[in-house]
Amino acid sequence: SQELEQSPQSLIVQEGKNLTINCTSSKTLYGLYWYKQKYGEGLIFLMMLQKGGEEKSHEKITAKLDEKKQQSSLHITASQPSHAGIYLCGADISPGIRKLIWGLGTSLAVNP
Amino acid sequence: EAGVAQSPRYKIIEKRQSVAFWCNPISGHATLYWYQQILGQGPKLLIQFQNNGVVDDSQLPKDRFSAERLKGVDSTLKIQPAKLEDSAVYLCASSLISATGELFFGEGSRLTVL
Repeated sequence: SQELEQSPQSLIVQEGKNLTINCTSSKTLYGLYWYKQKYGEGLIFLMMLQKGGEEKSHEKITAKLDEKKQQSSLHITASQPSHAGIYLCGADISPGIRKLIWGLGTSLAVNP
Repeated sequence: EAGVAQSPRYKIIEKRQSVAFWCNPISGHATLYWYQQILGQGPKLLIQFQNNGVVDDSQLPKDRFSAERLKGVDSTLKIQPAKLEDSAVYLCASSLISATGELFFGEGSRLTVL
């Protein structure tokens, strides 16, 4: 089974709607990274969370880390077509030298 | 600031042929990563360098894959001989230090093995 589960696998929303993507780890989290990827391109950094209860926002995207549940959520408010892409979460599961595992990604489409 | 540079962007080869990918990380970044991303999956770490030393290569198929980072700067990933299942995007990333902080990714090198 996947060590880092993302849900949903894919999402289609109407422009202006809010949405949430979840990322759950089967291992202790020492850091949680959210990236966005467009087809055929590299990963673009969104946010990094390290402490339980931490919450960060950038423009209309907010990410939270629930350390106890080993889970993070990414929330997009008032979605726009520019938000479309694949959202990947990466988890650092090592207290020492960084060891990242990745989810399979959530594909987001935003219909105008 | 220049980003992580990778080449070639696209490569098509026949199985059993060899291929090499090149990565130039952001200047000053000590840690360099090579990831394999198969369509529909998340990135899988192949090898992680700290300067020119290998930190983790546990998932590198060493019978056919090799990587080096001479002088602790740019890096080359080679596949020889290639198999059909090696078709993927090969992503290079770099970061300032290995324990924390953002990873900066290149655009990737897309390999198709026929």
